[in-house]
Amino acid sequence: QVTLRESGPALVKPTQTLTLTCTFSGFSLITSGMCVSWIRQPPGKALEWLALIDWDDDKYYSTSLKTRLTISKDTSKNQVVLTMTNMDPVDTATYYCARTDPYSSSWSFDYWGQGTLVTVSS
Amino acid sequence: EIVLTQSPGTLSLSPGERATLSCRASQSVSSSYLAWYQQKPGQAPRLLIYGASSRATGIPDRFSGSGSGTDFTLTISRLEPEDFAVYYCQQYGSSRSAWTFGQGTKVEIK
Repeated sequence: QVTLRESGPALVKPTQTLTLTCTFSGFSLITSGMCVSWIRQPPGKALEWLALIDWDDDKYYSTSLKTRLTISKDTSKNQVVLTMTNMDPVDTATYYCARTDPYSSSWSFDYWGQGTLVTVSS
Repeated sequence: EIVLTQSPGTLSLSPGERATLSCRASQSVSSSYLAWYQQKPGQAPRLLIYGASSRATGIPDRFSGSGSGTDFTLTISRLEPEDFAVYYCQQYGSSRSAWTFGQGTKVEIK
């Protein structure tokens, strides 16, 4: 059974750095092809893909946010970490992590965490 | 970056009716890389369709996807009460920095 769970602060101040952790089970990020992404959704708005890390430790970032994002993994802990620098109130959103298995469902996101709401406010 | 435009923004229908949702891309998208998701309030999105027309595990056959190039469609043949939700299309661009979502279509009870 595949599960993902996001964790991190619910509130951050403007200019601070956000660190979110995705802890997963039911698959391994050392399996060829496996990827984990971070996706966010501001309240009442659409989904926005942020970053992806694959089994080979290749990393990909949203063009518009690339300078602020860092994604990494700890395969021994089954965790993926996202850091986002210089947080602003417009970054207030629910942040999701999601799995991609290109061999079973192409480049879609087949399993998602429940999301964690991050509010940016002083 | 490929932009996905979904229409209509809101679809008001009754249970039992057919729903047809559109997703138009600003450039051609490989059919292999087009997906649809359902999202209910307070929940994470759920994968419905991948590869433009393949149903994800456990998805009822009243959901179907079609299309190619720049025009894709999600059809719900007969709306059940649990199908009233927001639906998003998503594409993957081969540059590997280009997963994008549409802005969503809300299917509401008429």
